[in-house]
Amino acid sequence: GENVEQHPSTLSVQEGDSAVIKCTYSDSASNYFPWYKQELGKRPQLIIDIRSNVGEKKDQRIAVTLNKTAKHFSLHITETQPEDSAVYFCAASVGGGGADGLTFGKGTHLIIQP
Amino acid sequence: NAGVTQTPKFRVLKTGQSMTLLCAQDMNHEYMYWYRQDPGMGLRLIHYSVGEGTTAKGEVPDGYNVSRLKKQNFLLGLESAAPSQTSVYFCASRPVDGSAQHFGDGTRLSIL
Repeated sequence: GENVEQHPSTLSVQEGDSAVIKCTYSDSASNYFPWYKQELGKRPQLIIDIRSNVGEKKDQRIAVTLNKTAKHFSLHITETQPEDSAVYFCAASVGGGGADGLTFGKGTHLIIQP
Repeated sequence: NAGVTQTPKFRVLKTGQSMTLLCAQDMNHEYMYWYRQDPGMGLRLIHYSVGEGTTAKGEVPDGYNVSRLKKQNFLLGLESAAPSQTSVYFCASRPVDGSAQHFGDGTRLSIL
């Protein structure tokens, strides 16, 4: 089955700086890659997703890049703010949208230092 | 429009007891999922359903059963609870058009 590796497990950045979280996947058939943000005690919430026919997608301060050849994808957050502090999960799935469910990375705890 | 609702929010069980977690969605979604989340492990798929009356195993199905008798409900059962099943359980749903999964608020389950 699919295996998703996520790095780093903890990332501390100064407010206003950029943060980058990286994930690799093992199944070349995976074609859907969402990113979720989870605050303490809350549900995971989708922040951005990308499909395998697209190399990059941007939404305001958040962007995701996908390299299908290398089987890795990354989340980029620019101009970080205190409210960006949370745990971020990457995920991958075959069947677009996660028809068969998502395989998640183990998460990155992003800490924004004031 | 409540989205995905999970019942109960918290529960404490003794080893060997049984219980059922309920997930209800009011978005007319075809696909529904049960995940568990353990510290440092991310979310792992337990079972999923692609339509009423159908279910399939995910990554960690052992010790759990599921049923999808109605399109809007997806039940997760523990027949004989074990301490290793202490976790936070999340339900999710999504439509067939490939849109993202929507998660419920979770059920925190402790087994003593």
